[in-house]
Amino acid sequence: NAGVMQNPRHLVRRRGQEARLRCSPVKGHSHVYWYRQLPEEGLKFMVYLQKENIIDESGMPKERFSAEFPKEGPSILRIQQVVRGDSAAYFCASSPQAGNEQFFGPGTRLTVL
Amino acid sequence: AQSVTQLGSHVSVSEGALVLLRCNYSSSVPPYLFWYVQYPNQGLQLLLKYTTGATLVKGINGFEAEFKKSETSFHLTKPSAHMSDAAEYFCAVSEYGGSQGNLIFGKGTKLSVKP
Repeated sequence: NAGVMQNPRHLVRRRGQEARLRCSPVKGHSHVYWYRQLPEEGLKFMVYLQKENIIDESGMPKERFSAEFPKEGPSILRIQQVVRGDSAAYFCASSPQAGNEQFFGPGTRLTVL
Repeated sequence: AQSVTQLGSHVSVSEGALVLLRCNYSSSVPPYLFWYVQYPNQGLQLLLKYTTGATLVKGINGFEAEFKKSETSFHLTKPSAHMSDAAEYFCAVSEYGGSQGNLIFGKGTKLSVKP
């Protein structure tokens, strides 16, 4: 399967724990986008990265959230000290260039108890 | 700033009936517009997109959409609904217009198809 891969598919954390979400883009894609989908809402942009660089993080909460896309390995979205309001589906998308079609992964569904 | 409004959070049609899902956008630059479909517990799949050129865009699974600049609309249609079309549909616009950057999504429309 050459599509975008995300793991884990489901993640349960207790309040105060850390959540680490991984995204492996389509092979050859160097642009990665993270979106969050709250219940009954559309997807909201969080952050846009290229290899080793954050291009746009205007949609990311200023505290507790961080993202990276290292030279080697998957992109990581990290949420520290999770709260119940962080419960959502987190989707990653990749594209070969800015503006090309974004291919979405199946998402990680985070539940905070 | 760009925005998307999808009228109707739930739409129900009978199998074989016309599907019409409405999308209006606001954009300060020439927009790139997209329709995505999401099946339960899955990611989003691109149905079709408008960038430039022909305003009637054909996509997968028999769907099409027409870009109407004067109405700032990009409604999605399918002549005859199939049970397998039951899913949630999202309209989106590229935030910076043209080909740049992230997408701005509407809240989605859940389509139900009755036998």
